[in-house]
Amino acid sequence: AQSVAQPEDQVNVAEGNPLTVKCTYSVSGNPYLFWYVQYPNRGLQFLLKYITGDNLVKGSYGFEAEFNKSQTSFHLKNPSALVSDSALYFCAVRDLMGAGSYQLTFGKGTKLSVIP
Amino acid sequence: DAGVIQSPRHEVTEMGQEVTLRCKPISGHNSLFWYRQTMMRGLELLIYFNNNVPIDDSGMPEDRFSAKMPNASFSTLKIQPSEPRDSAVYFCASSKGGAYNEQFFGPGTRLTVL
Repeated sequence: AQSVAQPEDQVNVAEGNPLTVKCTYSVSGNPYLFWYVQYPNRGLQFLLKYITGDNLVKGSYGFEAEFNKSQTSFHLKNPSALVSDSALYFCAVRDLMGAGSYQLTFGKGTKLSVIP
Repeated sequence: DAGVIQSPRHEVTEMGQEVTLRCKPISGHNSLFWYRQTMMRGLELLIYFNNNVPIDDSGMPEDRFSAKMPNASFSTLKIQPSEPRDSAVYFCASSKGGAYNEQFFGPGTRLTVL
C-alpha cells in the first residue's frame, strides 16, 4: 500500500525567507509524486510533479521539489516566500505497482503561513 | 478551458433529504474522481471513473452514496438519505489517461447537513 506523510501541520516563515514543506512517501514500486496547493475555499491546484529524470523538479510560482529516493522524500521548496504563498499544501503519491496505480494518495496537508 | 465545473458551490439541507452534486470534467479528460475533504479525515477518494465506467468505488462510505457518469461530460454524486456526518467539501477532479498525468480539481461543493 502507498502512503504519504507530511510531518508538519503548520510551517511559519517570514516573507522573503526560503521555505521548505516536507513530504515522505512509501510505495511498493516506483513513485509518481505530486504537490498541490489549496487556497481558502478553493479546489486543489497542481504545482509540480516528479515522474522520472532530473531529481529537481521546477513548478509554478517559483516552487521546486527534490526527489530523494534513498530518503523517500519529496520536499517542496521556494527560495523566497511571498505572503500570497500562504495556503494549504498537499503532497501526493501514485504507486506504479499494483491494481490501484491510478489512485493518488494524499498527505494530510501542511498549512504554510508567510508572515509579512 | 473553463476547468472542472461543480454545482452547487454550497448546499445546506436537512437530515434525511436527498442531495445531488454535479460535475462537468475538462473536455478531453477520460478519468474522473470524486473526493471528500474533512478536517478529521483529510482528502478521501470516493470513486473513480475511467471512460465513463466506474472502476473503483471502494471509497464510497455506504449504500447511501451513489455516483453516475452517463456521458463524458457529466457526473453526479448522490446521497440519499443525507446525514449530518456527511457534511464536508466534495471535490470532483479529472485527468487525461495515464498514471503520470495530474488531476485537475473543481472548486468543490460545501455540503452542510443539519
